[in-house]
Amino acid sequence: GENVEQHPSTLSVQEGDSAVIKCTYSDSASNYFPWYKQELGKGPQLIIDIRSNVGEKKDQRIAVTLNKTAKHFSLHITETQPEDSAVYFCAASLGGANNLFFGTGTRLTVIP
Amino acid sequence: DVKVTQSSRYLVKRTGEKVFLECVQDMDHENMFWYRQDPGLGLRLIYFSYDVKMKEKGDIPEGYSVSREKKERFSLILESASTNQTSMYLCASSGWPAAGGINNEQFFGPGTRLTVL
Repeated sequence: GENVEQHPSTLSVQEGDSAVIKCTYSDSASNYFPWYKQELGKGPQLIIDIRSNVGEKKDQRIAVTLNKTAKHFSLHITETQPEDSAVYFCAASLGGANNLFFGTGTRLTVIP
Repeated sequence: DVKVTQSSRYLVKRTGEKVFLECVQDMDHENMFWYRQDPGLGLRLIYFSYDVKMKEKGDIPEGYSVSREKKERFSLILESASTNQTSMYLCASSGWPAAGGINNEQFFGPGTRLTVL
């Protein structure tokens, strides 16, 4: 099955700086890559996703890039704010009705 | 506003007890999922269901069973709880993707933190 690796496991940045979280996947057939944010005491929530026919997608301060050849994708958060502090999970899927395979999570702390 | 609710936020049980975790979604979603979340291991899929009375094993089904008698409700059952089942349990639901489409977003409940003593 699919194996998703995520780095780093923890990340601390100063408010206003950028944060980058990286994931790799093993199955070249995977074609859907969502990112979830989990705030304290809540379940994960989708923040952005990318499909394999797209190399980059941006939504305000967050962006995701995908390199299919290298089988890795990254989450970029610019101008970080304290409310960005959370655990972030990447995931990969073969699409259609197939399940998501999650990374191990990154705890992001934004220092005011 | 979409909603996935879980019956308990915190639960403490004793080894050997039978434990029921309930999940209800109000979005008329076909698909429902149970995950467990452990530090350093991320979210691991226990069981999922694509329809009423249907169930499929995920990556770590051992020691668990599920029940889906109604579309909106998906229950996770620990037949005989053990200490290694102490964890955070997350339920999620999603709609069926359109033919040839990509996965739909999974909506998660707030989780149940289960402690087995």
